[in-house]
Amino acid sequence: EAQVTQNPRYLITVTGKKLTVTCSQNMNHEYMSWYRQDPGLGLRQIYYSMNVEVTDKGDVPEGYKVSRKEKRNFPLILESPSPNQTSLYFCASSFGQGRPSTRYNEQFFGPGTRLTVL
Amino acid sequence: DAKTTQPTSMDCAEGRAANLPCNHSTISGNEYVYWYRQIHSQGPQYIIHGLKNNETNEMASLIITEDRKSSTLILPHATLRDTAVYYCIVIPRLTGNQFYFGTGTSLTVIP
Repeated sequence: EAQVTQNPRYLITVTGKKLTVTCSQNMNHEYMSWYRQDPGLGLRQIYYSMNVEVTDKGDVPEGYKVSRKEKRNFPLILESPSPNQTSLYFCASSFGQGRPSTRYNEQFFGPGTRLTVL
Repeated sequence: DAKTTQPTSMDCAEGRAANLPCNHSTISGNEYVYWYRQIHSQGPQYIIHGLKNNETNEMASLIITEDRKSSTLILPHATLRDTAVYYCIVIPRLTGNQFYFGTGTSLTVIP
């Protein structure tokens, strides 16, 4: 089944304790992205990657790191989490960007990771 | 990138057409209009997209005004399962890498 998976789905942690949220897709997609969702603020893009070893900042990259060493994986790293990073996080992937005349820009989203930083 | 403006919330009677408006008055000629929806706290789901022509698929229809400054997503026969937040976003054709979802329209389908 074509899908985007995220782990863990739920995480409660403490300030300053490094954590990684994994994201994996099995659709051979070039483009992957991370979002956070907060009440009243909607979905905001954190980082995105157009292909292996290529990553770029989105709207709210501060406090986050990403890496894209393999096409299928795009982990989100919080080196020193803080309470203001408590949020619902989504990973997404698509075939490729820059060619929205087809459905290459159709993003497939993972189920979400609910993170609480105490 | 062009920003979009959507009503915060809307109601629609079950079985009737739901018409969700979106204003994107600063859209440029090379930007597409995309619609996604998010049911409860699940991951958003792609619905439809278009450039300047009206589009229809199995989920919805997209009507884009001639000046491209606004669009309407139409769910022809709304069901309770269409209750969701609907996002209208614009994406540049050649550098369509960043997505600005905003807060969308919360559609409630009423029995």
